[in-house]
Amino acid sequence: QVQLQESGPGLVKPSETLSLTCTVSEGSIRNHYWSWIRQPPGKGLEWIGNMYYSGTTISNPSLKSRVTISVDTSKNQFSLKLSSMTAADTAVYYCATGRGWYYFDYWGQGTLVTVSS
Amino acid sequence: DIVMTQSPATLSVSPGERATLSCRPSQTVGSNLAWYQQKPGQAPRLLIYDASTRATGVPDRFSGSGSGTEFTLTISSLLSEDFAVYYCQQYNKWPRTFGQGTKVEIK
Repeated sequence: QVQLQESGPGLVKPSETLSLTCTVSEGSIRNHYWSWIRQPPGKGLEWIGNMYYSGTTISNPSLKSRVTISVDTSKNQFSLKLSSMTAADTAVYYCATGRGWYYFDYWGQGTLVTVSS
Repeated sequence: DIVMTQSPATLSVSPGERATLSCRPSQTVGSNLAWYQQKPGQAPRLLIYDASTRATGVPDRFSGSGSGTEFTLTISSLLSEDFAVYYCQQYNKWPRTFGQGTKVEIK
């Protein structure tokens, strides 16, 4: 079954841009839908955005134009960039995949990102 | 956005007992609802999709029901490994939204 692994910095300064990568193994990034979801410490889950391997993306309007999701099929990876980070963006960030644009049946282990100067 | 309201926030149950969790979307989502289980320090695990279909490998003590604006996750006889936080999620409209979670704890 597909396995996902997030990677990126654990600490980001306020106003900077977060860059995370999700590496897909035991499966191809092609012909699947990929997602980013986050969870502030002790809180619930927030959907960030979805993309199809061809490049079609959709993201949460609450994050406005701060979100960029992209794919690198040659590396079997997809990425998240979140600009203008603030303390409110401190969270565990998960990459995930699922059936179409709908629910999420495989998740990475998550990576904690802290926003602090 | 569709607001997902889960109740109760915390459910205290003894092992072997039945647990019933509720999820109520602020508007109809048809049957486009999933349930997840999350244990401390772990990623969520998909349990149920399409309101009532168990995901691969999910024990049959987990069952989902409902449609529209009222959904239920039932755990028929709780085992020790079932004590966790449970989330519902709608995928009827964008943005995808989750409930705030129900924590099932040992009584």
